[in-house]
Amino acid sequence: GAVVSQHPSWVICKSGTSVKIECRSLDFQATTMFWYRQFPKQSLMLMATSNEGSKATYEQGVEKDKFLINHASLTLSTLTVTSAHPEDSSFYICSARVLGGTDRINEQFFGPGTRLTVL
Amino acid sequence: SQQGEEDPQALSIQEGENATMNCSYKTSINNLQWYRQNSGRGLVHLILIRSNEREKHSGRLRVTLDTSKKSSSLLITASRAADTASYFCATDLGITALIFGKGTTLSVSS
Repeated sequence: GAVVSQHPSWVICKSGTSVKIECRSLDFQATTMFWYRQFPKQSLMLMATSNEGSKATYEQGVEKDKFLINHASLTLSTLTVTSAHPEDSSFYICSARVLGGTDRINEQFFGPGTRLTVL
Repeated sequence: SQQGEEDPQALSIQEGENATMNCSYKTSINNLQWYRQNSGRGLVHLILIRSNEREKHSGRLRVTLDTSKKSSSLLITASRAADTASYFCATDLGITALIFGKGTTLSVSS
């Protein structure tokens, strides 16, 4: 159980285009999902916290107009990279927090990541 | 911002040797977790240790937590080539996302 999927697993796009990445919790409901970015040989940096039915909360330095997050349901959050530039090329990873359950309330489950390459 | 800091940044050992990675953090935590990531791949959850626990085992993994020193260590015993990966500690403050350290890159040669 507790599987998180991401789609696509990799994408190559031209500079200036927009790319949408989906994050789904497959067998549980997640009120909160998180988006991370990881540059080569670096750690995961939190970009934003996505709550179902409300606006996302962005970390300092992350442009909310560039990285649009929509958490439309308890099982789906999307990240859209708008007007992508080569410097946006990165590995984007989402995670979902399990809803409810004392023992599991702080557990996050991670998606496999999406490799974005902007030419 | 990053909460955890691992050391060493890189570690090279021979198969069969033990590998020890350390993680230090700055604020009080609910729990601390260790993850593995193979190059270019997703995260694999290894072990979670709660703030009221001092040691935890899982197979060849042993994790310790010292909340007074705000530090944790991950020991991999009898390492194998397949253990080659990056290892991250992540702290859970209970209210927000997991915050990851910079990671240790482990290379195990046969």
